[in-house]
Order: sequence, then structure tokens, then C-alpha cells
Amino acid sequence: DAKTTQPTSMDCAEGRAANLPCNHSTISGNEYVYWYRQIHSQGPQYIIHGLKNNETNEMASLIITEDRKSSTLILPHATLRDTAVYYCIARSGSARQLTFGSGTQLTVLP
Amino acid sequence: GAGVSQSPSNKVTEKGKDVELRCDPISGHTALYWYRQSLGQGLEFLIYFQGNSAPDKSGLPSDRFSAERTGGSVSTLTIQRTQQEDSAVYLCASSPIAGDYNEQFFGPGTRLTVL
Repeated sequence: DAKTTQPTSMDCAEGRAANLPCNHSTISGNEYVYWYRQIHSQGPQYIIHGLKNNETNEMASLIITEDRKSSTLILPHATLRDTAVYYCIARSGSARQLTFGSGTQLTVLP
Repeated sequence: GAGVSQSPSNKVTEKGKDVELRCDPISGHTALYWYRQSLGQGLEFLIYFQGNSAPDKSGLPSDRFSAERTGGSVSTLTIQRTQQEDSAVYLCASSPIAGDYNEQFFGPGTRLTVL
């Protein structure tokens, strides 16, 4: 997996968009960007992934820069239940195991 | 539908005892993974099962750790002669096919405490 760099922590007001950045400047052509999150005392939860194009699902949107060296996960209307550690991973399709870095602790404030 | 389930949710044991942790993956998922997560740390891969193929045991930290997957479904992770450094949350995940661009669905984990 390519190395990823994320801020240690971020705060977001409830109801506002949370924008979580991730740098992956050494990402290779066959590596996808995956986002997972882990709410306290729960197992990790898949959020979204993408290769080159922006992606959106019911949970979030993923914006990947044209050079693919960075991406942003967007939670459009953050709720208190979105408070979690968010992990960005650059992972090839043949990779089996996940490896998480330190992630970003997102705290949604009332 | 039912997600990945794990049992027990918590296990406290004495140093030197053996423990068995169980994982029930999502029905139909062919790939199953075991990870562990120590307090405040990231995921540590332990073992991977895919269908009838030989498991990838490359992450097992010592020969005290072993795992089985019977009938392509339920899996058991066994730790023999537990040590205090084995204390962690043990997570199981499953995915529909062999990790190729597919997300992994995680269970709630088993918190193991070795006294």
C-alpha cells in the first residue's frame, strides 16, 4: 500500500459538511483510494473507494485530484454519530489485508 | 441482513491459558480475515481464508496462534498459552470475493484481556 498522510484530528459542527483530506503522493496507477471509519468500540466500517473519478454513495463523497496525489472525503451533513476515526488507504486490487495508519479523529460538535 | 458476528464479545483469561475466538461471516462471503488491534493502534493482519485455497498465515505473530475455517463459513482463532502482549481486540472481516476492489465487512470484535 502507498503511504498516506492525514491530519491527526478535526472538528466539525453538526449539520455542516465535514471535509477530510488525505495525501497519497506516491500512489501507483493500480492503487485505489479507500476510506474506512471506526467508531469507538466498534469494528471498522467501509465508507467508499475510488480510482480516478469522483465517487458518491449514501454515506459520503470522494473527491480525487487529477494527479491522484490527494483526495478528500466529504460527509455532506455531519451528525454526532459520525464522530469516529477516519482512515484513508491506498490499496492495490490484489492486496488482501487492510493496513490502517493513524487516521483522523473527527469530532462532530453539537 | 445479518452482518459479521463474533463471540465472545469480551474474554478475560489468565496468562498461559488457551482461548478460542469465533467468527461467523456474512453468508455467501468467500473471503475471511482475522486482524487484531491493540489499544490506540492500527490494524494488524493475522490470517486470510479464501474458499478452499490454503490460508495466508503470513501475519500470525507466533506458532501459538492458529485458525481454522470449517465448511467455508465459521472460523475459529485459537491462541495457546496466552501472554499479556496478546491482549487486544480481535477483529474478523469477510468480503464477497478475494479482496479485489471489494470492501471488507467487519464484526464488532472480541476484546481479549490476558491477566
